[in-house]
Amino acid sequence: GAVVSQHPSWVICKSGTSVKIECRSLDFQATTMFWYRQFPKQSLMLMATSNEGSKATYEQGVEKDKFLINHASLTLSTLTVTSAHPEDSSFYICSARDPQGGGTEAFFGQGTRLTVV
Amino acid sequence: GENVEQHPSTLSVQEGDSAVIKCTYSDSASNYFPWYKQELGKRPQLIIDIRSNVGEKKDQRIAVTLNKTAKHFSLHITETQPEDSAVYFCAASITTGFQKLVFGTGTRLLVSP
Repeated sequence: GAVVSQHPSWVICKSGTSVKIECRSLDFQATTMFWYRQFPKQSLMLMATSNEGSKATYEQGVEKDKFLINHASLTLSTLTVTSAHPEDSSFYICSARDPQGGGTEAFFGQGTRLTVV
Repeated sequence: GENVEQHPSTLSVQEGDSAVIKCTYSDSASNYFPWYKQELGKRPQLIIDIRSNVGEKKDQRIAVTLNKTAKHFSLHITETQPEDSAVYFCAASITTGFQKLVFGTGTRLLVSP
C-alpha cells in the first residue's frame, strides 16, 4: 500500500514555543491530507483537512491561528502548533488517500507524540 | 455532519472466544466503513473495510457486516488470540472527493490466555 511518513515521531517543547510536524506522502501525490489529534485513551478527532494550494478547512472548535497548516506541495503538509501549552500535549497523526489506488483507503503517518512542558 | 457511535468501550474475552464490536452512523450518504486496530503509541492499522454495496465481508478470522437500513455495522473476530488485544476503531466516510473519516469512540479488546 501507499506510504505516509510523519516527522518527528516525538517532540518535547517548552510552553510558549512552536512546533512543526511534517507529513509526507512518499509514493503518491496527495491533494488532500487530514490531521487528527488523539488524547490518551480517546479516539482520533479530526482537526483539519489540508488542501494543496489552498487554505485548510478546520473542524469546529479548532483554532486555525494556533494550529497552522501548510500544504505547499502534493507530497507535503505541515502542522505547526504555535505557542504550545501543556494542554496541547497529544498524539498528532496525519492521513492521506492515494487517488491512483482508488482513493478509498486512508493511509496514516506513524504519528507524533507532542509533550509540552 | 457524520456521527459514529461505538460499543462496547471495553471487551474482555477468553482466548478462542468470539468478539463482536458494533457501530452506528448517522449520515446515510456514508458509503465506506473501515475498521482499524491500534496498538499503544502506534498508527491505526486497517484490518478490514466494507463498502455500502456489500452486506458482509470476511477475511480469515475477521468479518464485517453492514446494515444500511439501520445504519449500523459490526466487526466480528472469531477464535480470538492474545495478540488480538488492542484498541479497535470503526469509522465512516463518503468516498467521493476524499472526504474525511469520522471515527467511533473505540473499543479496548483484551483477550486473556
